Parts: sequence; C-alpha cells; structure tokens
Amino acid sequence: QLQLQESGPGLVKPSETLSLTCTVSGGSISISSYNWGWIRQPPGKGLEWIGNIHYSGSTYYNPSLKSRVTISIDTSKNHFSLKLGSVTAADTAVYYCARIVVVPGAPWHFFDYWGQGTMVTVSS
Amino acid sequence: DIQMTQSPSAMSASVGDRVTITCRASQGISNYLAWFQQKPGKVPMRLIYAASSLQSGVPSRFSGSGSGTEFTLTISSLQPEDFATYYCLQHNSYPLTFGGGTKVEIK
Repeated sequence: QLQLQESGPGLVKPSETLSLTCTVSGGSISISSYNWGWIRQPPGKGLEWIGNIHYSGSTYYNPSLKSRVTISIDTSKNHFSLKLGSVTAADTAVYYCARIVVVPGAPWHFFDYWGQGTMVTVSS
Repeated sequence: DIQMTQSPSAMSASVGDRVTITCRASQGISNYLAWFQQKPGKVPMRLIYAASSLQSGVPSRFSGSGSGTEFTLTISSLQPEDFATYYCLQHNSYPLTFGGGTKVEIK
C-alpha cells in the first residue's frame, strides 16, 4: 500500500524558508507515470495547490507562489521536497503531499493518495 | 487562471436527503474535474475523478456529472458519515484550482 509522509519543522520564523519533505513508501517515486504534488490548507480555509514535480525533475508551480517556491526530488531517498522562501503569517497552513497518476490521452488522476499533512506555523 | 465557484458554500441536510453540490468553471474544462471529501481534522479523500468516475471503494450513493463549465456532485441518500466539506478541483490547465468548498452539516 502506497504511503506518503510529510516531515519538517512545525514552526518557522517570518522571512525564513519553510522546508518540508515527503517520503514515499510502498512504491517507487521514479515511475514515469507518476507526478508528485504539494497542497496546503490554512486553518479554517480551503485547499490551495502549490506545485508538482515529476521524477525527471520537471515542475509546475502555482504562479501566486512561484517566486518563492522550489520543489525538488531525490530518487535515491524516494522522497521529494518543498521549499518556500520569505514566509509570512499567511503561509501558516497544513501542508500535504499527494500523488498524481499520468494517463496518456485521458484525464490524469490527481491526488489519489495523500500524506497525513503537517501543520506549519509562521511566527517569531 | 480558471476560477472554480462552488455552491452552496454551506448547507444543512438530514440523513436520507438527496444532496446536490455544484461547481462552475470560469471557462470550459472538458471533464478534467475531481471531487474530494474532507472531514474535520482529516485528510481530503478523492471521491470522483474525470467528472463522473467513482473512486474505488467509495459508496455508490456518490455520483458526479457534468462537462464543460458546470459539474455536480450528488449524494443520493445522505448518511451520517457524509457530513463533511466537499471540494472540486479542475486540472484542465495550470494552475490547478480548487473550489471554495461546500460544508454539509446536519439539520
């Protein structure tokens, strides 16, 4: 059974960089038909897509965050990572990682597996 | 960016009710739409993909329909475990965008 697990600091100071890792178990992160994504949810609010990465390294980012976001992948460790720079209180949220299945010629399967989420608070 | 507008934003319903939630896209997205359920404090769970395909393991009382700009999620007979917030997601084009959510509460 595929499992995803987010990890990283739960508290980040304003203006610093938020760094999270999503470790995938029960399957390989390097399968060409998968992409891997990050989504966040501020307390009491809705879901916001942050970005995706393929094991080849190709990425898609939300333009609203693009200048501050970097998503990377380490196939040797079977994990992918999120860095969000210059954080403010508005970046306080639960951060989720999730899987995307690429289906050639058909709608992709977005976010069929999710991690449990990790709460990150931005505060001094 | 494609805006996804869900309605209603909240609703009260009784066990056994038929519930319909609507998601409208600001431009056509074919059937590139998914529906998610999120219970308080829990991880979102995908219910529907490709607008109308039921995720494996999801009860058949859930169904999705629509194409283009208007989509619906229907719960044919609301059960106690269905009280939750529901989100649509368009993946026709980047950036991916979620609807604002519909909270289904107990009447």
